[in-house]
Amino acid sequence: GDSVTQMEGPVTLSEEAFLTINCTYTATGYPSLFWYVQYPGEGLQLLLKATKADDKGSNKGFEATYRKETTSFHLEKGSVQVSDSAVYFCALSLSGGSNYKLTFGKGTLLTVNP
Amino acid sequence: DSGVTQTPKHLITATGQRVTLRCSPRSGDLSVYWYQQSLDQGLQFLIQYYNGEERAKGNILERFSAQQFPDLHSELNLSSLELGDSALYFCASSLGVSPSEKLFFGSGTQLSVL
Repeated sequence: GDSVTQMEGPVTLSEEAFLTINCTYTATGYPSLFWYVQYPGEGLQLLLKATKADDKGSNKGFEATYRKETTSFHLEKGSVQVSDSAVYFCALSLSGGSNYKLTFGKGTLLTVNP
Repeated sequence: DSGVTQTPKHLITATGQRVTLRCSPRSGDLSVYWYQQSLDQGLQFLIQYYNGEERAKGNILERFSAQQFPDLHSELNLSSLELGDSALYFCASSLGVSPSEKLFFGSGTQLSVL
């Protein structure tokens, strides 16, 4: 079945460090890919998305590029801030047929220290 | 604030009991999704309703049921509760039927089964 695999956390960085959170997927079709973020005590929020190969999603300094050849959608940020501390979820969706759902990875906890 | 309201925020109950979780979607959104979040399973899709009709089903147990009412709010009913049902239950909403759209998540209902 369709699935998403994220790097295991937790990830702990110092402020202004470079961030990469790896995400790879398995899907039977051509999925749309997403990164959602969950701040402490809150629900998930969409961070960015990409709907086709080579698309780059970006938001709030975060970027991820849809790589069909490596089935990956790694999240990057050049300089993290304390306020970026949260759980990050990679997800995919396939539209059409009965497969109408968003499949999430297990999440990666990021802690940024001042 | 996502605009999605979930009640109650916390629920503590005993094994064998039945509970109802309520979700009010964002104004204008026709789709409601239910997800279960636990440490071992991560975020699991349970079920989706669109404009009152069941649209997609995920890993929802037979002891669980849901419905979406004419005013578009939704309820998730959990019965014959077991210790393993303890989790954070999220509701999300979107305008249309596809999960490729941006989902807006509520803050969740934390269920503790003792």
